[in-house]
Amino acid sequence: GAGVSQSPSNKVTEKGKDVELRCDPISGHTALYWYRQSLGQGLEFLIYFQGNSAPDKSGLPSDRFSAERTGGSVSTLTIQRTQQEDSAVYLCASSLAGRESSVEQFFGPGTRLTVL
Amino acid sequence: AQSVTQPDIHITVSEGASLELRCNYSYGATPYLFWYVQSPGQGLQLLLKYFSGDTLVQGIKGFEAEFKRSQSSFNLRKPSVHWSDAAEYFCAVGVWGGGADGLTFGKGTHLIIQP
Repeated sequence: GAGVSQSPSNKVTEKGKDVELRCDPISGHTALYWYRQSLGQGLEFLIYFQGNSAPDKSGLPSDRFSAERTGGSVSTLTIQRTQQEDSAVYLCASSLAGRESSVEQFFGPGTRLTVL
Repeated sequence: AQSVTQPDIHITVSEGASLELRCNYSYGATPYLFWYVQSPGQGLQLLLKYFSGDTLVQGIKGFEAEFKRSQSSFNLRKPSVHWSDAAEYFCAVGVWGGGADGLTFGKGTHLIIQP
């Protein structure tokens, strides 16, 4: 079946503009995660959605970052008033519910964001 | 909270030589353990995972890893590397409960393959 898809694959924007990044999880996966990967860094957790529960936003670096998940499926990560330090690869992952399933995450190819 | 350490930022190996990438974790119980690989411009691909049972796990692309509880380690090995193995490798610890605790990643090891 199809894996996690993300769009766009690359996004170049000017400082101060807003951007939206999209993630389509694997069908049937109830959990969805966003991560940020900056140059030379590991993965930084941003936000987590599980079913219809309120999202865990504990990893969002500032109030310029927000995310929503519509209908328990597609998710959009929005960055307002982008700054150069927001330049990174944004990765989305999804997983099934259940003990062992919930920790095995499947990753999309990422969106490379460049803020000029 | 759990943590993962990958002590080697870069490793250079000759093609055909054996490989071992180190991973140490910190967690109060036995965690779920993963190795992911990321090729340039790509997302993360799961190489192998350990949940329970046999401490030597086999993965894709000829990789294996061994869980050693006494050393809190989960090192990745391959007997003979290929040029296509050049990539970034991430070790991760998974904790039941999901959310922010779902997966904690190491900072990665960049593998360079010499001809």
